[in-house]
Amino acid sequence: GQNIDQPTEMTATEGAIVQINCTYQTSGFNGLFWYQQHAGEAPTFLSYNVLDGLEEKGRFSSFLSRSKGYSYLLLKELQMKDSASYLCAVRSSELSFGAGTTVTVRA
Amino acid sequence: GAVVSQHPSWVICKSGTSVKIECRSLDFQATTMFWYRQFPKQSLMLMATSNEGSKATYEQGVEKDKFLINHASLTLSTLTVTSAHPEDSSFYICSARDPQDYGYTFGSGTRLTVV
Repeated sequence: GQNIDQPTEMTATEGAIVQINCTYQTSGFNGLFWYQQHAGEAPTFLSYNVLDGLEEKGRFSSFLSRSKGYSYLLLKELQMKDSASYLCAVRSSELSFGAGTTVTVRA
Repeated sequence: GAVVSQHPSWVICKSGTSVKIECRSLDFQATTMFWYRQFPKQSLMLMATSNEGSKATYEQGVEKDKFLINHASLTLSTLTVTSAHPEDSSFYICSARDPQDYGYTFGSGTRLTVV
């Protein structure tokens, strides 16, 4: 089975940096995904890690340590539109999601 | 990238009636599609895996007779909520594996309200 943990909520100021941690315990591992989901909408793909290390994509970066069962999503230069839920998802035989972290960006 | 179209976007139905939700892969063939359900402020829970030309695989606790899945072609999977009850009100989302890369593409979701 899968066990994916991430914080429930985080609040930050516009222009700041926020790091969302995700720990997981899975039977089998075939990659870790981060998705962004605005209220009432479907998730949109942000990043994918299958090897250890940091993947950078513009203002968003994602890190993975397979030995520690740990990942984080780093959001830089926060903008108001970044207010959303961020979902950590792990793929073994299927894709399983964490409960999501609601990020609120304040002016 | 791959596009998945999901219809309807929202539906209101009476208790006891059935509702069909369609999920189409628009520019690729999807032998496998996934159906998720999401309650307010909760994460996506995988309900079932839809397999083209064969029976769907349901997750534990999901009633296969209540949530009927049909995947008759390589571009279309349907989820029918039968004899809907208010507790079935939720956000239903389908997804498919993008054949171009490693990602998963999601439909826009269906907001079901049973009254």
